[in-house]
Amino acid sequence: TQLLEQSPQFLSIQEGENLTVYCNSSSVFSSLQWYRQEPGEGPVLLVTVVTGGEVKKLKRLTFQFGDARKDSSLHITAAQPGDTGLYLCAGVDSNYQLIWGAGTKLIIKP
Amino acid sequence: KAGVTQTPRYLIKTRGQQVTLSCSPISGHRSVSWYQQTPGQGLQFLFEYFSETQRNKGNFPGRFSGRQFSNSRSEMNVSTLELGDSALYLCASSEIGQGNYGYTFGSGTRLTVV
Repeated sequence: TQLLEQSPQFLSIQEGENLTVYCNSSSVFSSLQWYRQEPGEGPVLLVTVVTGGEVKKLKRLTFQFGDARKDSSLHITAAQPGDTGLYLCAGVDSNYQLIWGAGTKLIIKP
Repeated sequence: KAGVTQTPRYLIKTRGQQVTLSCSPISGHRSVSWYQQTPGQGLQFLFEYFSETQRNKGNFPGRFSGRQFSNSRSEMNVSTLELGDSALYLCASSEIGQGNYGYTFGSGTRLTVV
């Protein structure tokens, strides 16, 4: 069974602080996606990373795909209350199946 | 472009009943996937349909079934509802599926079984 371990499960920080969320696996993925989900809504795709070592930036969010394509990180700089939500990572395996992490619940306090 | 539309948004059913949920994907998207989301289990894959054919199936009992129509709209059905079926059911669409390009999710149907 392929697993995608996401950490931390829960993070509560003050506005303006930086944070990093991690997704780790022993499996290789052809790509990895990050989503953000707000209560009562479906996940919204933030980014897809495809190449090992790839770094993508989305305003204050920086996404990195590990060189071996087994892990990924999401770094938020100067977090704002609007960043609050559930962050999910999902890796695409060799059978084109999406393997989901359990999510990181992020709360940014004003 | 209209997003993914799921109906109904909320549903309350009694144990033993059956339920049908509907999903209209983004126009032009031929792949529709269904997920069950609960606080304890996270996102669990139910099945994926592409051009009216079930392409992949998750590890759920046969009480969970689905279908896709020629216009790519999809329905999922749960028969003989159990309390544990209470969850947020999410539909996701993509042009061809197979993961690599990401999915667009609907807002979900919140099913409560009492």
